[in-house]
Amino acid sequence: GEDVEQSLFLSVREGDSSVINCTYTDSSSTYLYWYKQEPGAGLQLLTYIFSNMDMKQDQRLTVLLNKKDKHLSLRIADTQTGDSAIYFCAESISSGSARQLTFGSGTQLTVLP
Amino acid sequence: DTGVSQNPRHKITKRGQNVTFRCDPISEHNRLYWYRQTLGQGPEFLTYFQNEAQLEKSRLLSDRFSAERPKGSFSTLEIQRTEQGDSAMYLCASSLDEQYFGPGTRLTVT
Repeated sequence: GEDVEQSLFLSVREGDSSVINCTYTDSSSTYLYWYKQEPGAGLQLLTYIFSNMDMKQDQRLTVLLNKKDKHLSLRIADTQTGDSAIYFCAESISSGSARQLTFGSGTQLTVLP
Repeated sequence: DTGVSQNPRHKITKRGQNVTFRCDPISEHNRLYWYRQTLGQGPEFLTYFQNEAQLEKSRLLSDRFSAERPKGSFSTLEIQRTEQGDSAMYLCASSLDEQYFGPGTRLTVT
């Protein structure tokens, strides 16, 4: 079955790096995503990685994928107070023409001044 | 604004009433998804449209739920005879490839 797991909470100091981890179970996942959700808002797509890649960098964000261990991480460099939010990892499994997403429960990132 | 929009943003209803939500996707996106998110959880897939065709439904989508996308543009999600367990955030996403989410409709059933 499909299951995506994340740790629930992470606190870091402003200026430090944050690393948010995720594990998934479905080896047929084609894409893996990171979304950010601020209070009362929808989900904002941050970045994604195709399953045949092992790293992707986009400005302050670095995604690492270990397909053997089914482990995904999101590193945020120079974390700012505006990065405080819930971060969701999601795997995408193609079903026909659909690409439905299976989400983890989210990691609440708190950035301390 | 060219993002996904949802209306209403908040809905409070009494148990047993029917409610309908609307989603307007990004205009060139042919795929539209509905998800439900309860407190402390990630979104869960409900249903998927490609153009006007509803191609996939989750087993979470009970008979009281119906979704339509009549002209392949906006979509509606109706819940009949609402129950307290239906209280959640209902999220719509549209895509060509990556899914972009709207702000959601928060439903509270009293």
